[in-house]
Amino acid sequence: KQEVTQIPAALSVPEGENLVLNCSFTDSAIYNLQWFRQDPGKGLTSLLLIQSSQREQTSGRLNASLDKSSGRSTLYIAASQPGDSATYLCAVSPNSYSGAGSYQLTFGKGTKLSVIP
Amino acid sequence: DTGVSQDPRHKITKRGQNVTFRCDPISEHNRLYWYRQTLGQGPEFLTYFQNEAQLEKSRLLSDRFSAERPKGSFSTLEIQRTEQGDSAMYLCASSLKTTGGTEAFFGQGTRLTVV
Repeated sequence: KQEVTQIPAALSVPEGENLVLNCSFTDSAIYNLQWFRQDPGKGLTSLLLIQSSQREQTSGRLNASLDKSSGRSTLYIAASQPGDSATYLCAVSPNSYSGAGSYQLTFGKGTKLSVIP
Repeated sequence: DTGVSQDPRHKITKRGQNVTFRCDPISEHNRLYWYRQTLGQGPEFLTYFQNEAQLEKSRLLSDRFSAERPKGSFSTLEIQRTEQGDSAMYLCASSLKTTGGTEAFFGQGTRLTVV
């Protein structure tokens, strides 16, 4: 059974600092990995999608990397801003060739980020 | 608004009552998913539709839960005889089946409180 772990559970940084959020998964047979942002009481906003064949994806101040063989992904946020304060979730989709299908996402519990002005 | 839409946003119900939630996916998306999220946890998969066919159900989806997606458009999730343990955020997501990937887009969720 796939398990996804996110460390740390919470992180507080001063505005302007660069930071890294970590995600690890136990089964490397993944189809893709997706990073989401969730504001309190809200739904999920997709940030970045990395295919299993890719090493990284970038969007603005965000950069996500994937090392499938070691079961790890990182989300790098440059020049953090108070508006970045939210919970960040990573989720993996299983490889369809494993028989589990490529549609079911397994999520970590998230990292709650606070950026202090 | 062309995103995933869920209704209602909040629902308070008494234990034992039935509730129904609606999800309208992004119009061209043929895949639709329901997830449940409790406080401090990541979302957990409940069920998946490809067009109108329900192809996968989690063991979390007890007999009191039923989901439909008539005509492959909107979907409904019904919970019968609600229990306090059903209190959670119910999230709907949709995606487009392609060979390039299955990026999922989520709605704002329906917050259910069973009292």
